[in-house]
Amino acid sequence: ETGVTQSPTHLIKTRGQQVTLRCSSQSGHNTVSWYQQALGQGPQFIFQYYREEENGRGNFPPRFSGLQFPNYSSELNVNALELDDSALYLCASRPDSLYEQYFGPGTRLTVT
Amino acid sequence: KQEVTQIPAALSVPEGENLVLNCSFTDSAIYNLQWFRQDPGKGLTSLLLIQSSQREQTSGRLNASLDKSSGRSTLYIAASQPGDSATYLCAVRSGGTSYGKLTFGQGTILTVHP
Repeated sequence: ETGVTQSPTHLIKTRGQQVTLRCSSQSGHNTVSWYQQALGQGPQFIFQYYREEENGRGNFPPRFSGLQFPNYSSELNVNALELDDSALYLCASRPDSLYEQYFGPGTRLTVT
Repeated sequence: KQEVTQIPAALSVPEGENLVLNCSFTDSAIYNLQWFRQDPGKGLTSLLLIQSSQREQTSGRLNASLDKSSGRSTLYIAASQPGDSATYLCAVRSGGTSYGKLTFGQGTILTVHP
């Protein structure tokens, strides 16, 4: 167990809709990152938050946004869903003192 | 731009064999390298983390090596078991600041048959 949980487990949305995915990290894990993993591919970095501020972003459009809260929970929001957004979305967190990332089980998003 | 490549893409071996998975990366300025295991439809389980100053790490039947100058890492699995069947992912962390994204390879799908 990594201590990182994600909800929901699975989600089906229609193209053009908006979605919010949630992640809960361990206490003290001030850094949280989100990754998108398409089928058969390695995870791709979306963005990272440190103490509620975004401090890094991958090659994803602005319709991918996030929030991090003081209670070590975080959200990934995706607007105007496209078919290519169908993927496994992974949340990862770590404390300040370690560089090993702890991943949650992921949310499987299907866009139809 | 960091790129990570894993070879082979898939591997099928009989139980009991020792095997090696390969990972290469294009930019040697990494902070660390991490090997993960992923079961179908599941999240990632960290297996081994090697800091850039280290040459290898061991955990049970797993041994990972790192040659930063040549941009290579190997994951050695001894006496493979059917329960080792999974996708193995290699990821490197670039940069030395608190912001250091992980760049992943595409993974090696391992099947160990009885």
